[in-house]
Amino acid sequence: NAGVTQTPKFQVLKTGQSMTLQCAQDMNHEYMSWYRQDPGMGLRLIHYSVGAGITDQGEVPNGYNVSRSTTEDFPLRLLSAAPSQTSVYFCASSYSWAGELFFGEGSRLTVL
Amino acid sequence: SQELEQSPQSLIVQEGKNLTINCTSSKTLYGLYWYKQKYGEGLIFLMMLQKGGEEKSHEKITAKLDEKKQQSSLHITASQPSHAGIYLCGADIEGGANSKLTFGKGITLSVRP
Repeated sequence: NAGVTQTPKFQVLKTGQSMTLQCAQDMNHEYMSWYRQDPGMGLRLIHYSVGAGITDQGEVPNGYNVSRSTTEDFPLRLLSAAPSQTSVYFCASSYSWAGELFFGEGSRLTVL
Repeated sequence: SQELEQSPQSLIVQEGKNLTINCTSSKTLYGLYWYKQKYGEGLIFLMMLQKGGEEKSHEKITAKLDEKKQQSSLHITASQPSHAGIYLCGADIEGGANSKLTFGKGITLSVRP
């Protein structure tokens, strides 16, 4: 099984550019989430979804949009990138909200 | 998140030594998860604890959740270089449906050969 797949692994953007981080899982998990990891800050929840068509904000949602049109995919969109969004982004999924999270390998984003 | 405090922030131990790291919350931990991360890589699930007083072990790593369900400890026996990495605790501190995991800032463990 591929598990949780994130693309791209690395990306450099200029301020104001837009992009989408892709996340796909093949485990038929209902719960998917996006975290960002910054030095000294740990993992912070950006957005999450408890099923197709349902999304909600996490701890740091500003500047990010998500959608969940299928069970498998949960893309994260940056509409106008800012240097403060330079970070490592992790997508995760689980069978339920109380279950073990399976993480992707991360996407390292640099905004100049 | 400051709702989960991990201590110490970092730790350097000599290979073969035992060590304990902690994860503390002022709120009830409805589910407590320990993850390990190698630098530049994703997170690997270690253990999950849900019941007060629960203890689980895997190889040389033992995790406990206290009776009050507000603190968890992770103990490594006879540490090895392979144990080096960042250890993060994540917890459901809200309970109920549609809650989510909140993570601590992580503890960086270095093991000297």
